[in-house]
Amino acid sequence: QKEVEQNSGPLSVPEGAIASLNCTYSDRGSQSFFWYRQYSGKSPELIMFIYSNGDKEDGRFTAQLNKASQYVSLLIRDSQPSDSATYLCAVKGYSSASKIIFGSGTRLSIRP
Amino acid sequence: GAVVSQHPSWVICKSGTSVKIECRSLDFQATTMFWYRQFPKQSLMLMATSNEGSKATYEQGVEKDKFLINHASLTLSTLTVTSAHPEDSSFYICSARVTGSLYDTEAFFGQGTRLTVV
Repeated sequence: QKEVEQNSGPLSVPEGAIASLNCTYSDRGSQSFFWYRQYSGKSPELIMFIYSNGDKEDGRFTAQLNKASQYVSLLIRDSQPSDSATYLCAVKGYSSASKIIFGSGTRLSIRP
Repeated sequence: GAVVSQHPSWVICKSGTSVKIECRSLDFQATTMFWYRQFPKQSLMLMATSNEGSKATYEQGVEKDKFLINHASLTLSTLTVTSAHPEDSSFYICSARVTGSLYDTEAFFGQGTRLTVV
């Protein structure tokens, strides 16, 4: 079992709709959760991070964390063509020395 | 957010030569930097963790004698790919952890280096 699992996609969403990206993780001791956006040929860019159960909103983005279910998601409202990218879920343990473990990413395509 | 600068952004080298990639934290001190490799359509694979003033910690399967890492200062880590071969062609990305912040967990990435070995 992979430590961080994501559906590879591609996930196709019409412009203006809500895109929902999901991620599950195996280590119950994980404490920090990140969503990165990566455009083709570019390095990842941090979009959101979340530490506590519940929702965290930042503009059009909402991260949702459910530690009991070991599940984290990213919602993108009012999807734009510029949101088309690969979204990487990443998880980190409690210790400051813990590595950040990345999922394989979900390709999101916003169709006009 | 914190800025991490990676140089060069792309490089083409001949098989058997060595290539050095630099990773700098521009506006913060990074006691820990990370080096990743990403093949097309795959996720980031951690190669090694670089700690300032000490030896790097390599992930299983990564040859430390081939991928030399030096973290001589709090703002600079270098990765040298020695005796490069075509199979080393990949996208190499560094990241730096912001130490001393409230959560001390965020990692910020450099722009990446596209290495092509011919």
